Formats: sequence, structure tokens, C-alpha cells
Amino acid sequence: KAGVTQTPRYLIKTRGQQVTLSCSPISGHRSVSWYQQTPGQGLQFLFEYFSETQRNKGNFPGRFSGRQFSNSRSEMNVSTLELGDSALYLCASSLAGQVSYNEQFFGPGTRLTVL
Amino acid sequence: KNQVEQSPQSLIILEGKNCTLQCNYTVSPFSNLRWYKQDTGRGPVSLTIMTFSENTKSNGRYTATLDADTKQSSLHITASQLSDSASYICVVSDPGGNKLTFGTGTQLKVEL
Repeated sequence: KAGVTQTPRYLIKTRGQQVTLSCSPISGHRSVSWYQQTPGQGLQFLFEYFSETQRNKGNFPGRFSGRQFSNSRSEMNVSTLELGDSALYLCASSLAGQVSYNEQFFGPGTRLTVL
Repeated sequence: KNQVEQSPQSLIILEGKNCTLQCNYTVSPFSNLRWYKQDTGRGPVSLTIMTFSENTKSNGRYTATLDADTKQSSLHITASQLSDSASYICVVSDPGGNKLTFGTGTQLKVEL
């Protein structure tokens, strides 16, 4: 069974631009979560989608948004990029239940650099 | 505020040696505690998942222990290998079902 895939793997943008990242979960997984990882901060939860609906949301500004499609694939968008948005963005998928009770499987991440 | 603190922040050991990583948490109550291994440039991979009622769980050379009374967990690595060089992340989940609290990780380097 194929793992979680994320595209692109690397991205370089300039301040003020916007970016869209994509995540394809493991087949049969309906929950997709997004995380931002920066040195010293660890993984910070962005949001979780289940059945095309945002089920949970972390403490990030409205510039960060996401969506999920009927095939469970998910995208996240960051508008008006800031230097501080440079990070590794990780996507994780799990079965239908709550993330606290189901093992999450992470993708390789998208490394975003904002210049 | 629920927190998960890991120590040491970084560690260097020689190949073949054992080591123990620590995780202290304030999340209470909690439903389970997880340890992940993250290689550089890759996503985290699950090593162990323990419920609050479990004291120990092993995965090959990795053994996690949990003391729910003191809110401490440890990850013991036996006979370390170069491939064990990675960041090890402790994660605690709340029983409400929708929140995971991540530690900032311990960076382990195994040298010849």
C-alpha cells in the first residue's frame, strides 16, 4: 500500500506570494491533518480535514487555509507569505476516527522557503 | 497549557551503546502517548503507541516505558546503530479525541 505523498517536495517563494501544497493520503484513510515544523518549535498543528470538512483547527492566522476533496486528497494554501512561514509542512493521514485514537502516518513533507 | 518536554535536547553516543530519552508531560488526562522517529528531511514514523494503562511497549530495539503517576515516559534504544541517528519526538493525545501535543524532540547522533 502506497504511503502518504506530498507535492511539491521543495518550494521557494518570495514574500507576499501565495502557495498551494498538496497531500494524497493512504488509500482508505479519510482524515488528513497538516502540521508546520520549524527548528525549536516542533510540530504545530494547523488543521484536520475529514470527509471534506474541517474538523479541527490550530492557532494559525487566516492566511493558512485548506480543503479536502471527495477522494480524501487535501490541499493547504498560504496567502501573503511571510519570512516566518519558512518551514517543513507535513501532512498526516489516519483512518476515520479521531486523531487521538488513530495512528497517524506522515508524508515526507514540503520544504517551503520564503525569501 | 498542556506541554510535552523532552530531554536531552541532543545526544551523541557511540555505535553499539544504549541510550535513554526522556519525555515529561502535563497533559492530563490523556488517551495515549506516542514516540516517533524522524530522519532528516523525512516525515515522522511511529515507533510505539501506549495507552494510559500500559507500562511498556517494545518495537525491536526500541522500548518505551510510561509512568502515568509521574507523567513521565522514556524511550530506550538498545545496541544503537548508525541508522538510529534521527530526531525522536514524544506526542501525547487528549481523550477528547482531537488534539495531539508534540514535544520538540531529542536529536540523537550515533557515531562510529
